[in-house]
Amino acid sequence: QVQLQESGPGLVKPSQTLSLTCTVSGGSITSGDYYWSWIRQPPGKGLEWIGYTYYTGNTFYNPSLMSRVAISVDTSKNHFSLKLSFVTAADTAVYFCARVPPKDSYAEFDYWGPGTLVTVSS
Amino acid sequence: QSALTQPASVAGSPGQSITISCTGTSSDVGSYKFVSWYQQHPGKAPKLMIYEVSKRPSGVSNRFSGSKSGNTASLTISGLQAEDEADYYCCSYAGRSTLVVFGGGTKLTVL
Repeated sequence: QVQLQESGPGLVKPSQTLSLTCTVSGGSITSGDYYWSWIRQPPGKGLEWIGYTYYTGNTFYNPSLMSRVAISVDTSKNHFSLKLSFVTAADTAVYFCARVPPKDSYAEFDYWGPGTLVTVSS
Repeated sequence: QSALTQPASVAGSPGQSITISCTGTSSDVGSYKFVSWYQQHPGKAPKLMIYEVSKRPSGVSNRFSGSKSGNTASLTISGLQAEDEADYYCCSYAGRSTLVVFGGGTKLTVL
């Protein structure tokens, strides 16, 4: 069974770049036509889709974050990564990575990592 | 403000049934069969409970069911159990520009 695990700094200073990695185990990131996604949840609030990537590097982003987000994949390490630049306190959230099964829509998430809290503060 | 509208909270007693609504527009819920529902317990990751409006992943109880009418999708939980107390989120495909939208979440309390 596939498992996902987020990792990265828990504290980022304002205006800097948030960087997280999601390591996939129990299956190859290159198999099955899956997309691999990042989703975040500010404390006490709802879920927000950030974007997703295919193992070839094909990416799609939330239009509201597109100017600051980059998602990349490293097939040799079986992981994918998130970079969010020019962060502010509003970017403080639990960040989840998730798998997106191959459908016509790519808008459902069947496996999730446990999430990692990133706080933006000086 | 979330793209999909859900009630902030619903409540029910053990054994009862409840329904959570998820209202979107003709650009998302109303136009596609790709509506999914997630259950999230405190401090945990969301769990997929319903996909493609009404399908259940393997291992999800048949007490959970989904439906859609027009721009509104619904999640019904029958035979409420204490373990169902959680936050529930809907999600929809929203076309090639926006792609994915979530609801604001509904807190289910089992009385």
